[in-house]
Amino acid sequence: QQPVQSPQAVILREGEDAVINCSSSKALYSVHWYRQKHGEAPVFLMILLKGGEQKGHEKISASFNEKKQQSSLYLTASQLSYSGTYFCGTETLSGGGADGLTFGKGTHLIIQP
Amino acid sequence: KAGVTQTPRYLIKTRGQQVTLSCSPISGHRSVSWYQQTPGQGLQFLFEYFSETQRNKGNFPGRFSGRQFSNSRSEMNVSTLELGDSALYLCASSLGPTGNQPQHFGDGTRLSIL
Repeated sequence: QQPVQSPQAVILREGEDAVINCSSSKALYSVHWYRQKHGEAPVFLMILLKGGEQKGHEKISASFNEKKQQSSLYLTASQLSYSGTYFCGTETLSGGGADGLTFGKGTHLIIQP
Repeated sequence: KAGVTQTPRYLIKTRGQQVTLSCSPISGHRSVSWYQQTPGQGLQFLFEYFSETQRNKGNFPGRFSGRQFSNSRSEMNVSTLELGDSALYLCASSLGPTGNQPQHFGDGTRLSIL
């Protein structure tokens, strides 16, 4: 089932902070975050795994609440280059193991000078 | 290191035809996943292959199929094309199964159905 992202869109001034949320109705094995700029391929930002392990870029931070099946991506002191669409992807646990990455509809982030 | 390569970049087909898309993963990556991206539905998971075996499959009709070769290259086939199949098809590769590995996306194949 597709995770739900919020907000759908956000406009910020350069230097402001933003939080993007992702929630699922199923127990999660992992949460992935990607950013896609217009006309380009999605680019990996971070993975958060059940049990607390994280893999990602140093300048990106995120949280994963396993009990609530929620994740949040924190963008601090935003720069113009942060503009784009942010997708969270979730892998849920089924009887045979993880069942494939399902992406949310995305959050459009616009950073203005 | 070369990135993920998808061919062709653009394709125009008519209804009822079939199409094969190709994906060459990053060297050393054994997992390849395919996604369909449209403005209305976003990124939708098609299937994932790992070591030549289909590991997971999304909720798409049987007209969509894929395979992975021993060199990890993958192909995706769509038969009996419909207008709704017009989309950007993205391939992503990772070292291992997608659950705990970053995925590296190719630039995609834009398929237009007339």
